[in-house]
Amino acid sequence: EPEVTQTPSHQVTQMGQEVILRCVPISNHLYFYWYRQILGQKVEFLVSFYNNEISEKSEIFDDQFSVERPDGSNFTLKIRSTKLEDSAMYFCASSEVGGPGETQYFGPGTRLLVL
Amino acid sequence: QKEVEQNSGPLSVPEGAIASLNCTYSDRGSQSFFWYRQYSGKSPELIMFIYSNGDKEDGRFTAQLNKASQYVSLLIRDSQPSDSATYLCAVRGGGFKTIFGAGTRLFVKA
Repeated sequence: EPEVTQTPSHQVTQMGQEVILRCVPISNHLYFYWYRQILGQKVEFLVSFYNNEISEKSEIFDDQFSVERPDGSNFTLKIRSTKLEDSAMYFCASSEVGGPGETQYFGPGTRLLVL
Repeated sequence: QKEVEQNSGPLSVPEGAIASLNCTYSDRGSQSFFWYRQYSGKSPELIMFIYSNGDKEDGRFTAQLNKASQYVSLLIRDSQPSDSATYLCAVRGGGFKTIFGAGTRLFVKA
């Protein structure tokens, strides 16, 4: 069964450093998403991406965040200058179609720790 | 601020019992409603989705939606110890943003 994959599974970085989290969505999916979950808290929507453009973003997704689909398979989340509060689990998700009814499939997550 | 509220639990039920999980949401424009299961340290796993008022059954799981009351529930019949997890209610409006509740922890005692 096809699945979303994410690398690395764990990332430790120093405050102020840039990190890139990588995701390979399910191959025939066209819509991609990033969510984060701070330990013990809710899963929070960050951004959705379709046709090489951001389709929607939350207030969390400020100028320090960016997303990119650099090739036909990868979808990346870049955090330019990490802060302590960026420590969280980051989940990538993808869906075949967009809209309120589509099913989003989640990857296993990248646990980011900012020291 | 659009909110999804869940009782954090823990909800403890004996093996074989029915577990009832509840969720309320604030945005009347919400169109799609999802239940995810999340084991500790893992990603959310979709259990069910529902769009229309009423009940939707899938195996041991039944989702119930009441848009007038802005209420969604999940019933788990014949609960098993492997059902012990955190259950996340999630709601989506007309766009791409999914809003999650904080989750209800369920313990099924063998």
